[in-house]
Amino acid sequence: QSALTQPRSVSGSPGQSVTISCAGTSRDVGAYNFVSWFQQLPGKAPKLILYAVTQRPSGVPDRFSGSKSGNTASLTISGLQADDEADYYCCSNAGRHTYVFGTGTQVTVL
Amino acid sequence: EVQLVESGGGLVQPGGSLRLSCEAHGFTFHDYWMGWVRQALGKGLEWVANINEDGGVKTYLDSVKGRFTISRDNAKNSVYLQMNSLGADDTAVYFCAKWNRAAALDYWGQGTLVTVSS
Repeated sequence: QSALTQPRSVSGSPGQSVTISCAGTSRDVGAYNFVSWFQQLPGKAPKLILYAVTQRPSGVPDRFSGSKSGNTASLTISGLQADDEADYYCCSNAGRHTYVFGTGTQVTVL
Repeated sequence: EVQLVESGGGLVQPGGSLRLSCEAHGFTFHDYWMGWVRQALGKGLEWVANINEDGGVKTYLDSVKGRFTISRDNAKNSVYLQMNSLGADDTAVYFCAKWNRAAALDYWGQGTLVTVSS
């Protein structure tokens, strides 16, 4: 149950795209298409922004997209906006109904 | 509107116990897995425990196995986390959350703070 590895921080200017990686293993990210992503604003509960690798919940803009290759999943935020500034976490099924989160990435809009 | 409301957090001495509760509203509670996730101050999210629809399947983070017990009462639309033998490493905000059918936590409570300190 080791945490998935994410970059500590990424940054971009408004309108640019940023990509956050989420590196796991063949026992979690690589084994299942059950990777989800969360956005967390300071002092708030996490908000689901992607699930099943690429699916967006209702109300989440299509600027947020996901992908997976092997043991690594990725979240891309296109057309970066000021209110995208937040912490982002990935989460993966790790087998037998257990789950593991990523280490978290702080996104800064320059 | 889905709402999850946690309660039961507080200050507890090392070695002590605490029971967290989470009351659910706005969805058919007995149709969904539920879970607990925690976050130490300034740290990342950590999955803690899950329970299936009828309470027959429970899974735990290795570090809490044997100390924490997740349970639910579908008649009360509530899920619980009994925490025993608490240590400083258990200090965190504990979130209750609902799993959707695609293995994602789609709704979260506001969290309840557990502080383990003498």
